[in-house]
Amino acid sequence: GAVVSQHPSWVICKSGTSVKIECRSLDFQATTMFWYRQFPKQSLMLMATSNEGSKATYEQGVEKDKFLINHASLTLSTLTVTSAHPEDSSFYICSARETPYNEQFFGPGTRLTVL
Amino acid sequence: QKEVEQNSGPLSVPEGAIASLNCTYSDRGSQSFFWYRQYSGKSPELIMFIYSNGDKEDGRFTAQLNKASQYVSLLIRDSQPSDSATYLCAVKTSGSRLTFGEGTQLTVNP
Repeated sequence: GAVVSQHPSWVICKSGTSVKIECRSLDFQATTMFWYRQFPKQSLMLMATSNEGSKATYEQGVEKDKFLINHASLTLSTLTVTSAHPEDSSFYICSARETPYNEQFFGPGTRLTVL
Repeated sequence: QKEVEQNSGPLSVPEGAIASLNCTYSDRGSQSFFWYRQYSGKSPELIMFIYSNGDKEDGRFTAQLNKASQYVSLLIRDSQPSDSATYLCAVKTSGSRLTFGEGTQLTVNP
């Protein structure tokens, strides 16, 4: 149980384009989903927290207009990187938890490369 | 002071030995503690969680929590080369978010 999927697993795009990443909980209802970014040899950086049906809460320094998060259902959240630039190249990972449990389960991650 | 601190390592142990990974946290009100394993290039995988003081065992893994000392550890018995990874300590602080340590890189030598 507690399986989270992400799609795509990797993507290469041109600078200025937008990229959408999907995160799905396959066997539980994800009342809360989290989006992280991780640069090589660095720890996870939380970007935002989203609750189903509510607007996402972004961490300080994360541009909400650049990283659009939608959590429209209990099994799906999306992260859209708008007008991507090479500095947005990173490993993006989602995680999900089901109320009332505290454990977060991670998706396999999406590796984004912006040329 | 960082909210969650771990020794970055690398920690190197021989195969079959016990690997001991340590973590301290600053928020005395923290209630939930997690250990994740992350292989290079992969996402974190939950291996243990602990909420109460004392030890919690799951197979070769034992999590230990001491809230008075604000200390949580993970012991890996009979370490295997496949245990070589970065181990992340995470603490549930405010709301539903987790605060992660920087991780300890473990290498188990055959």
